Amino acid sequence: EPEVTQTPSHQVTQMGQEVILRCVPISNHLYFYWYRQILGQKVEFLVSFYNNEISEKSEIFDDQFSVERPDGSNFTLKIRSTKLEDSAMYFCASMFRSDETQYFGPGTRLLVL
Amino acid sequence: DQQVKQNSPSLSVQEGRISILNCDYTNSMFDYFLWYKKYPAEGPTFLISISSIKDKNEDGRFTVFLNKSAKHLSLHIVPSQPGDSAVYFCAASAHGSARQLTFGSGTQLTVLP
Repeated sequence: EPEVTQTPSHQVTQMGQEVILRCVPISNHLYFYWYRQILGQKVEFLVSFYNNEISEKSEIFDDQFSVERPDGSNFTLKIRSTKLEDSAMYFCASMFRSDETQYFGPGTRLLVL
Repeated sequence: DQQVKQNSPSLSVQEGRISILNCDYTNSMFDYFLWYKKYPAEGPTFLISISSIKDKNEDGRFTVFLNKSAKHLSLHIVPSQPGDSAVYFCAASAHGSARQLTFGSGTQLTVLP
């Protein structure tokens, strides 16, 4: 069964460093998302991406964040200058078309020291 | 922001009995609702969904009920099995948006053998 994959599974970085989190969505899906879950808190929406552009973003998704679909398979989230409060699980999700189900990857645990 | 609420942080049920997990929402624009199951350090796994045009959807042991007037949905698992023990998240999305999901805070279900 097709699934969303994410790499790395864990990332430790120093405050102020750039990180890139990678996702391979399900191959025929058209909508792509990033969510995050800070320890003990809800899963929160960050950004959605459709037709090679951002379609929605939350207040969390400020200028330090960017997304890219550099080729036909990868979908990346970049944090330019990480802060301590960026420590969280980051989940990628994809969906075939609107009004359908989002399928999530296993997540990347990001720890900013 | 409490647009989706799961008021019970935990629920314990005996194996073979019914588990009922509840979720309330406040945003009238939500028209698609999903339940996800999540194990620690893994991504949310889709279980079942329901559109606002329906009031019930069944898939095997899982049934979701939607009461639009009360802005309430519930997930019934019957019979409950020890392997069902996990955190269950209710999520909702709105038509006309990028279908980003708004999550509840989750309910930890423990099924006792």
